[in-house]
Amino acid sequence: EAQVTQNPRYLITVTGKKLTVTCSQNMNHEYMSWYRQDPGLGLRQIYYSMNVEVTDKGDVPEGYKVSRKEKRNFPLILESPSPNQTSLYFCASSWTGGSGNTIYFGEGSWLTVV
Amino acid sequence: AQTVTQSQPEMSVQEAETVTLSCTYDTSESDYYLFWYKQPPSRQMILVIRQEAYKQQNATENRFSVNFQKAAKSFSLKISDSQLGDAAMYFCAYLGSGGGADGLTFGKGTHLIIQP
Repeated sequence: EAQVTQNPRYLITVTGKKLTVTCSQNMNHEYMSWYRQDPGLGLRQIYYSMNVEVTDKGDVPEGYKVSRKEKRNFPLILESPSPNQTSLYFCASSWTGGSGNTIYFGEGSWLTVV
Repeated sequence: AQTVTQSQPEMSVQEAETVTLSCTYDTSESDYYLFWYKQPPSRQMILVIRQEAYKQQNATENRFSVNFQKAAKSFSLKISDSQLGDAAMYFCAYLGSGGGADGLTFGKGTHLIIQP
């Protein structure tokens, strides 16, 4: 079954404590990306990756890091989380970017920073 | 940069009636893709329908259809015979095709309420 898996699904953490949200896809997709969803703002892209070792900033990259060492994994790293990073996060993947291929979303990760 | 505007924060419709959700976008590209996503209370992102800009024919998926007006940069979603399960947030999204670097650009969403 085609899947994008995110972990953790729910997390409450404290300001400044580094955390990583993992994302894994089983479809051998080249393109992966992270979005955050905030009330009244829709989803906004944080970072994306065109392939292994190729990553770039999206619209709201401040405070986040990513890595793409393997094709299937694309973790989102918050080195020093702050309350304004409290949000619902989605990982997504597709065969390639910008080609209209089906985009698969993970189930979302609720992150609360206190 | 592309922008997507959904001017209706909330819409309400009686069960079995038809409702249309509006979406406009701004782009300088000629080739792109448009999507409507449904997000129920579970927060899962569910693809409802997609439209390729080069296709003149409006996309249809069962009770869901779009009115794609390329010159006007308009992409509305019509839901016929509304059902209680259609209640959700609906997001319009744009995807450019040039270069492959851009991700989806989303509108802010329309909350659809179905009145029984």
